[in-house]
Formats: sequence, structure tokens, C-alpha cells
Amino acid sequence: QTVVTQEPSFSVSPGGTVTLTCGLSSGSVSTSYYPSWYQQTPGQAPRTLIYNTNTRSSGVPDRFSGSILGNKAALTITGAQADDDSDYYCVLYMGSGSWVFGGGTKLTVL
Amino acid sequence: EVQLVESGGGLVQPGGSLRLSCAASGFTLRNYWMHWVRQAPGKGLVWVSRINTDGSSSNYADSVKGRFTISRDNAKNTLYLQMNSLRADDTAVYYCARAGGAAAPVYWGQGALVTVSS
Repeated sequence: QTVVTQEPSFSVSPGGTVTLTCGLSSGSVSTSYYPSWYQQTPGQAPRTLIYNTNTRSSGVPDRFSGSILGNKAALTITGAQADDDSDYYCVLYMGSGSWVFGGGTKLTVL
Repeated sequence: EVQLVESGGGLVQPGGSLRLSCAASGFTLRNYWMHWVRQAPGKGLVWVSRINTDGSSSNYADSVKGRFTISRDNAKNTLYLQMNSLRADDTAVYYCARAGGAAAPVYWGQGALVTVSS
């Protein structure tokens, strides 16, 4: 079974730029996987940042952007802020009606 | 404003059943695909199931196939998840989510905790 891969952890300095990725254990991610990205802090429901590769959800600042980089989906955060310190998840459409989340990336802003 | 409110969570013994509900408001439920996503304590998000707009088509993660059933009542603006033969590893917060463009989960409820334990 194909696994969706994410970096377990990442760190960025305040004001810096970071790119988180979402790949496949076998194969390449394309727009046909409709990658979406979510931010979650402890005890809270997920917040949608990006869907359909690069569409920003309502109210999400343009510091967050989605793309395909090489063979992976990517979430880029520019001008990182303290409240970006969160867990980030991607999800991919695997066909036949099923979706699979990645294991999540814990982003530390310090 | 889109609102999704889950209810029906609680403590259930292994092998037991539970039905979650998700009350939708602020939009017309019949126009959207809907998802259930769960998160075990301290773990990541896991997609569980989705249903199309009129309830005629649904899909499930392998881990719940044959035990869980997603359904909807568009007239009542409510989504359901019937969970049978529950196991300890079904313990999680269960979120309902409305699909957006390309049908990925976009709007989320606050979640309902299901604990399976004797």
C-alpha cells in the first residue's frame, strides 16, 4: 500500500521561509492527487490552508502557498511567525474514492 | 458561516456500537460531498470515509470497511457515521468535514471523542 510521506519535523526562524513536502513511497505526486494542506495545534480541529494543490482556503494569509515541486506537493510558508508553530498535514486523493493523509510535520518556529 | 457540530461520542465497550451525528448549518448540505476523519490520541489525521451528495455512493478506509457506515439525511442537514464492532484502536476524535474544490475536506467540525474500552 502506498504511503504518503512528510518530514517528521522541521524548524524555521521567525521571519524565515520554510517548505514542507508531501510525497509518495512509490511514485510522484501530481495535481491529479489534489493535494491539500492543514494546520493543527494541540486540542484544536484542523484548519484548512490549501486545497487542490494551490487554492488558499478562505481567510488564509498569502504567506502560505501550495505547489508541486519535483515529484512532491509542497507547502511554503514565508515570513514565519510564532503562531505558525503547529503540526501540518497533507492529504492526497488516491483514486477510487479514497484519500490518505501523511503522517504530519511538526514545525517549530524558533 | 459554515458550521459543523458532531455529537454522539462517548465510552463504549469493545464489540459495541455507536452512531455519530454531524449537524450542518450555514450551507446547503445536499450540495456537498462529506467526509469523516479521525485522530487517535497523540497521533495524526486518518481519513475514514466519504459520501456523495445524495448518499448513493460512499468509500471507506480499509481499517473500517465492513464495520462503519456513512450516511446522510439532507432534509435534516445531518451526516452520520454508524460504527459497529468497535475495537480499542478505533479510539479517536472523529471529525466531520465538508468537501471543497476537488472534494478534499475543507471545513471541519470541532470533533467528537470516541473511547473504546472495557
